[in-house]
Amino acid sequence: EPEVTQTPSHQVTQMGQEVILRCVPISNHLYFYWYRQILGQKVEFLVSFYNNEISEKSEIFDDQFSVERPDGSNFTLKIRSTKLEDSAMYFCASSPGPYKTSGYTFGSGTRLTVV
Amino acid sequence: DAKTTQPNSMESNEEEPVHLPCNHSTISGTDYIHWYRQLPSQGPEYVIHGLTSNVNNRMASLAIAEDRKSSTLILHRATLRDAAVYYCILYNQGGKLIFGQGTELSVKP
Repeated sequence: EPEVTQTPSHQVTQMGQEVILRCVPISNHLYFYWYRQILGQKVEFLVSFYNNEISEKSEIFDDQFSVERPDGSNFTLKIRSTKLEDSAMYFCASSPGPYKTSGYTFGSGTRLTVV
Repeated sequence: DAKTTQPNSMESNEEEPVHLPCNHSTISGTDYIHWYRQLPSQGPEYVIHGLTSNVNNRMASLAIAEDRKSSTLILHRATLRDAAVYYCILYNQGGKLIFGQGTELSVKP
């Protein structure tokens, strides 16, 4: 069964450093997403991406965050200057498209720890 | 975004059926009812979705009330691996999934 692949599985970074989280969505999917989950809290929407541009973003997704689809397969989330409160599990997801009714497929996540 | 209400937790015995309820009284005509689950230390996993009619797949069944203001996810025979947080989410095509607190299902051997 096709899956969404995320790397790395764990990332430890110092406060103020830049991190890039990587995702390979399912190949024929058109919508891509990033979500995060702070330990013990709800899964929170960050951003959706379609047709090479951001289609929607949450209040969490401020100027410190950016997303990119640098080639035909990868989808990245960059945090420019990490803060302690950015420590969380980050999940990438993809879905077939707006006119398909099937669900999202999520990756296993990247655990980001900011120290 | 339309809201859903689920019990915080439920318990089940292994190999027995489980009925997980969800209320969504403010559902709109274009909202699909999606169910996801999250096993410990994993990403959310799609379970099933429907619009008006009851749906079955290899994982579960979804029973939707005639007025669409509530739905029930049915696991026909719970296993220990079904212990997870189950999320009922109203989804509009092209929109985003909004996760609530979900129902934490524990399964006893």
